[in-house]
Amino acid sequence: DVKVTQSSRYLVKRTGEKVFLECVQDMDHENMFWYRQDPGLGLRLIYFSYDVKMKEKGDIPEGYSVSREKKERFSLILESASTNQTSMYLCASSFGGRASGETQYFGPGTRLLVL
Amino acid sequence: AQKVTQAQTEISVVEKEDVTLDCVYETRDTTYYLFWYKQPPSGELVFLIRRNSFDEQNEISGRYSWNFQKSTSSFNFTITASQVVDSAVYFCALSLEGQGFSFIFGKGTRLLVKP
Repeated sequence: DVKVTQSSRYLVKRTGEKVFLECVQDMDHENMFWYRQDPGLGLRLIYFSYDVKMKEKGDIPEGYSVSREKKERFSLILESASTNQTSMYLCASSFGGRASGETQYFGPGTRLLVL
Repeated sequence: AQKVTQAQTEISVVEKEDVTLDCVYETRDTTYYLFWYKQPPSGELVFLIRRNSFDEQNEISGRYSWNFQKSTSSFNFTITASQVVDSAVYFCALSLEGQGFSFIFGKGTRLLVKP
């Protein structure tokens, strides 16, 4: 079975803190994704990575950065957390290739509260 | 423009009832992929099914079945003899050929199965 894990299920941070959310997958997937999920807005793509050290912006990259130093690990960084970044963050991974519409497998999510 | 519409925001049924969740998609592409995911209260999106645009055969998996009709651009999901454990938010998603990174999610349908 595909396994995607996220470092924390729940996080509480203060405004202005630097926040790291980590995601690890064990299926040797090339692609990894970070989404945020908010009531009424659904799932929105923040960033994705199709290879080590490669990244592309999604729909809402502002206020976020990412790091992919190893194939299995994809980190989301909030450089200076703000209250409007309180959300559910979901990581996903899939096999590589733009052409094939591969299934994305999701982690359990991290509920982040920024005070 | 590509779009996925799940018109039913919330559905409530009594256990053992059958329930159908609607999904209507929009795309001009001829090759695309459709997905259903389940998100239980724990938060993780669980993959249920992937279907490509050339395969209109209906799928059945236990109490779950999917009806794909290109003529109406619909990919509906039916749960037969619903159970309390089916209570979750269900998402339909569209992925386009050559744009494998981009998933277009519907807003989700919250299903509540009462005992």
